[in-house]
Amino acid sequence: EADIYQTPRYLVIGTGKKITLECSQTMGHDKMYWYQQDPGMELHLIHYSYGVNSTEKGDLSSESTVSRIRTEHFPLTLESARPSHTSQYLCASWAGSRNSPLHFGNGTRLTVT
Amino acid sequence: GQNIDQPTEMTATEGAIVQINCTYQTSGFNGLFWYQQHAGEAPTFLSYNVLDGLEEKGRFSSFLSRSKGYSYLLLKELQMKDSASYLCAVSTGGGNKLTFGTGTQLKVEL
Repeated sequence: EADIYQTPRYLVIGTGKKITLECSQTMGHDKMYWYQQDPGMELHLIHYSYGVNSTEKGDLSSESTVSRIRTEHFPLTLESARPSHTSQYLCASWAGSRNSPLHFGNGTRLTVT
Repeated sequence: GQNIDQPTEMTATEGAIVQINCTYQTSGFNGLFWYQQHAGEAPTFLSYNVLDGLEEKGRFSSFLSRSKGYSYLLLKELQMKDSASYLCAVSTGGGNKLTFGTGTQLKVEL
């Protein structure tokens, strides 16, 4: 049973549109992450947060932005979608302790036409 | 920044043992995860090492040497369903940042 939810699961949208990918978790985790992954390729960290009002950029430069106003919610926004943004976006959360693994959502597969 | 390396591909025989290596060069190491990912699915958790040594969980074991910047995942009694990508991820930045390696695509053959 999923404790971290991503919506939408699939999104096809035209160039220039503004989009927001939603990610919510019910575990009270402070740490949340956004990864970008193309098929068969590695996971690239694009944004992370270690608590409310904290956001950091990851190792892969991204035109997206994130916000963390509530612990459970970590949305990712693209102001103007382009075909180069076509990819899978995976959200994850972590309590940060040894006994708690990183939990992944099911991902959003974005296609920009 | 972080530099995390894994072999790109490995092939092994059903019933055999395979070792997947991960080397890393990072600042402020806090721990290392191993994840399994089947095509089209989200990664699933296998192990988390913080201290040096071997941790065993059924058919899967993970080893860490912090001084060498090295970890491996050992899979025993390989099954066809173990064919997947295996990802190591390093926690840094006081445990806040989590960066994945390139991933190793394992193919299990009869």
